Parts: sequence; structure tokens; C-alpha cells
Amino acid sequence: EDQVTQSPEALRLQEGESSSLNCSYTVSGLRGLFWYRQDPGKGPEFLFTLYSAGEEKEKERLKATLTKKESFLHITAPKPEDSATYLCAVQAQRSGGYNKLIFGAGTRLAVHP
Amino acid sequence: EAGVVQSPRYKIIEKKQPVAFWCNPISGHNTLYWYRQNLGQGPELLIRYENEEAVDDSQLPKDRFSAERLKGVDSTLKIQPAELGDSAVYLCASSLNRANTEAFFGQGTRLTVV
Repeated sequence: EDQVTQSPEALRLQEGESSSLNCSYTVSGLRGLFWYRQDPGKGPEFLFTLYSAGEEKEKERLKATLTKKESFLHITAPKPEDSATYLCAVQAQRSGGYNKLIFGAGTRLAVHP
Repeated sequence: EAGVVQSPRYKIIEKKQPVAFWCNPISGHNTLYWYRQNLGQGPELLIRYENEEAVDDSQLPKDRFSAERLKGVDSTLKIQPAELGDSAVYLCASSLNRANTEAFFGQGTRLTVV
């Protein structure tokens, strides 16, 4: 069964304190792994797509990496505006080309001044 | 460019009443998704459309939920009758097509069933 597990559930950081969020996955035939940011009362906002082990993507203070079993979202010198829930999702290959996103429960990040 | 538009933003109804949610995807996006997100959880897919065809509705509770996407553009998700356990945020998303992996989400409709 396809599964996505994110850790920790919640993370509190001081401004400037770098850390990493983890996304472990079990899926038959990974088509892609996605990171989304979700602010309270809003829909998820797309951040990155990773397709193969060893791939890395960066955006401002965020860097996403991918291995065959997990992905990390590294946050370097975070600011209070980085506070949000970060969601990881995987897309599994299915016959007929139809895919769906399977989401983890997310990590709630709070960055304090 | 306008993003995915959903309405209403909030809805409070009594149990056993019907409710409907509306979604207008990004122009030109052929694939449309309805997700349900419970508090503290990630979104779960309810149904996916490719143009006007529902190609994945395995997670849709068909006894009370229905959806349509006439003309392959706007979509409506309906619940009749609503139950207390249906309280959640209902998210609509769209992507260019089924091969395109980047999905854009609307702000969601927060449903409270009392």
C-alpha cells in the first residue's frame, strides 16, 4: 500500500536556526515527489517536484532532496514568514497514465523571532 | 492570471441537509481534482476529472457524494444528505493535463456540519 509519513509533526525554531523536515514514502513506482506549503485557511502552494534519487531543488531558503526512500526539506536560516505547514506528496505510476497524489499529514513549522 | 477559484469559502449546515461546492479551474487546465482535508491531515483525493470524464472516483462516498464537470470546465461537488463526519475543508485543484505533475489548489471551502 502506498504510504507517506512526515516527521516531525510539529517543529519550533528560532529565527536563523536551520533544520530539516523528513518525508518517508513507500510507493510502487514513484512518478514524482512533491513539496507544498500550506498557510492557515489557504490551499496548498506548490514548492518543488523531485523525480529521481539524487535530485535536488532550491528556492530561497528551502532546499529539497530525494533518495529512494525519503525526501528532506532543508530550511536554512529560517524567518518568521516561513512559518506554515509543509506537505509532502508522492505520485505513483499507474496503468493508463492516471496518477494521483498521496499526501502525508504535514509538518507544522513555527519560526519565532 | 487567476488561480483556482472556489466558492463558498465557508459553509455551516445542519446534518441531513444538502450542500454544494463550486470550482473554477485555471483556464486551459484539463485535469481537475477534488480533495478533502481533515484537521491536522493532508488532503485526500475524492475524485479526478480528465476534461468531463471522471477517471478516478474510488474514494468518493457514492451513497451521498456526487460530482459533475459539465463541458470540462467548472465543477460542482455535492453532498446529500450531509453527516457530522463530513465537516472538513474541501479543496479543488487543477493541472494542465494528466501527464503534468504540478497541481494548483484553490483556497478551499470549509464545511461545518452541526
